[in-house]
Amino acid sequence: NAGVTQTPKFQVLKTGQSMTLQCAQDMNHNSMYWYRQDPGMGLRLIYYSASEGTTDKGEVPNGYNVSRLNKREFSLRLESAAPSQTSVYFCASSESTGGISEAFFGQGTRLTVV
Amino acid sequence: AQSVTQLDSQVPVFEEAPVELRCNYSSSVSVYLFWYVQYPNQGLQLLLKYLSGSTLVKGINGFEAEFNKSQTSFHLRKPSVHISDTAEYFCAVRRTDKVIFGPGTSLSVIP
Repeated sequence: NAGVTQTPKFQVLKTGQSMTLQCAQDMNHNSMYWYRQDPGMGLRLIYYSASEGTTDKGEVPNGYNVSRLNKREFSLRLESAAPSQTSVYFCASSESTGGISEAFFGQGTRLTVV
Repeated sequence: AQSVTQLDSQVPVFEEAPVELRCNYSSSVSVYLFWYVQYPNQGLQLLLKYLSGSTLVKGINGFEAEFNKSQTSFHLRKPSVHISDTAEYFCAVRRTDKVIFGPGTSLSVIP
């Protein structure tokens, strides 16, 4: 019972490089989220997907794109990485849109852009 | 807009002492409230949640929180902390599709 799985766990990129962070959940949840965590700022929502086939911007979407590939998978893409995107990224999922269930989190991806 | 404020960024407390971590939210409509804990180098896990009903909510590891609608607060408490409670604690608000987190409070338990 894996829950929410993120890959990779660590990544170093050069400025301007691109990469995709992968996330998969095995709980049959409808909603999925990408957050970034920076010191003193808590978790900020980048994008979310309320259901398969839909995505919406969160608080800090600039510089990112997402794809809800199917119900299980929700990927985050950095097209041209910048040092300001150095952060810890968390994927999460929850049971339903507009529902009352909590979010379940992956273990995080620590990204450094040099 | 909806926001979550955690008034204390760091809280040091001696082992076996009580602790309160403060959380205030801004919203004019009903919200669902959560406290999450993050241990070093790990993801977040749910401590407790308030959905409706009793304003005193009990969670895991001996934590509890009280929802106060008039003060728009959802403070987290534990009567006696352990070294293992050292972690980052996040208050969060959910309405419809989004879960919004506060900036976090770092709890350090001193032996």
